[in-house]
Amino acid sequence: KAGVTQTPRYLIKTRGQQVTLSCSPISGHRSVSWYQQTPGQGLQFLFEYFSETQRNKGNFPGRFSGRQFSNSRSEMNVSTLELGDSALYLCASTRGAGLGSGGNEQFFGPGTRLTVL
Amino acid sequence: AQKVTQAQTEISVVEKEDVTLDCVYETRDTTYYLFWYKQPPSGELVFLIRRNSFDEQNEISGRYSWNFQKSTSSFNFTITASQVVDSAVYFCALSESIQGAQKLVFGQGTRLTINP
Repeated sequence: KAGVTQTPRYLIKTRGQQVTLSCSPISGHRSVSWYQQTPGQGLQFLFEYFSETQRNKGNFPGRFSGRQFSNSRSEMNVSTLELGDSALYLCASTRGAGLGSGGNEQFFGPGTRLTVL
Repeated sequence: AQKVTQAQTEISVVEKEDVTLDCVYETRDTTYYLFWYKQPPSGELVFLIRRNSFDEQNEISGRYSWNFQKSTSSFNFTITASQVVDSAVYFCALSESIQGAQKLVFGQGTRLTINP
């Protein structure tokens, strides 16, 4: 069974640009979550999508957005990039439905390392 | 608000020593889930264990063991007879979602180095 895949793995952008990151969940998983990891702030939750709907959102500015497609693949977009957006962006998938699903283990992808110059 | 604290930023031990990673959490909910993840240098988070708030039984899996104590809001992780391959950053995480929306609150992580 293929794991969670993220593309691209590395990205270099300049301030003011925008970027789109992609995540393909494990087959059959309908929930996709995004996390930002930085040395200073650690791992922080961005948002979660289930069946093309955003169910939960972290405390990030509106420059961070996402969406999910009918095949459960998800993209996140960051507009007007700032230096502080340099981070490892991790995507995780899980089945996401049913009682107790909030405690389902999340399967993480290898991440996209974004560098903003 | 939910919070997870891993007070140990870095730990360095010699191979074959036992090591315990501490995790303390805060939550107002009575139903919640606790997790441990391992992050090797490759960057991918690897799931190690999940515990729900109603299951305080300690668990052992090979050289790994976990001690969950609600009375002290702690969920500590012990590696027995550590090996160089155990070197990684370990994260403790909390989820309050009972059903549906997935959101993990992570601790700051503990960087564990096992020296040969």
